[in-house]
Amino acid sequence: DSGVTQTPKHLITATGQRVTLRCSPRSGDLSVYWYQQSLDQGLQFLIQYYNGEERAKGNILERFSAQQFPDLHSELNLSSLELGDSALYFCASSVGGGGGPGEQYFGPGTRLTVT
Amino acid sequence: DAKTTQPNSMESNEEEPVHLPCNHSTISGTDYIHWYRQLPSQGPEYVIHGLTSNVNNRMASLAIAEDRKSSTLILHRATLRDAAVYYCILRDGRRNQGGKLIFGQGTELSVKP
Repeated sequence: DSGVTQTPKHLITATGQRVTLRCSPRSGDLSVYWYQQSLDQGLQFLIQYYNGEERAKGNILERFSAQQFPDLHSELNLSSLELGDSALYFCASSVGGGGGPGEQYFGPGTRLTVT
Repeated sequence: DAKTTQPNSMESNEEEPVHLPCNHSTISGTDYIHWYRQLPSQGPEYVIHGLTSNVNNRMASLAIAEDRKSSTLILHRATLRDAAVYYCILRDGRRNQGGKLIFGQGTELSVKP
């Protein structure tokens, strides 16, 4: 158990819909990262928040957005869903926001299926 | 982002050592070498990291070449639970780069009893 929690575990929805994925970081960690894992693209970094502010951005689609709240939990919002958005979405957390080594701890993931 | 090259797959026998190679010829001075693994149906798990010197922890050892252009993850005694995809990642240590991890395809390690 990494200490990172993600809800829900599974999500099935239809094309065009909007969903919200939730992540709670390990106690004391200030950074939250979101990653997408699909069969054809592998594991891809989407976005990082550090202490409530966006710190780094990857190949995140404009239809996707995220935020980190004062209690440090984070939400990833996916809208206008397409079949290709079906994937595993992982959240990770770390103590720092960059600089130095900074190991990350991953949650169990949310499996999103778009039908 | 600097890239790494790993074999697609490797096989090992249980209770034998495993050496997982990684090439990173374009590594920069600020890059840390990280290894993560992903067991079936789980999220990635941190294994070990290093900068210039060899490193040991309870899970594994990391041997880094003197020119830092390659490294090897060493599992001293493979168990069936070590069957996973192992990712070698260069993580930019500069503060303004954030902490993102850029995953490649990794090496799928299978362990035979």
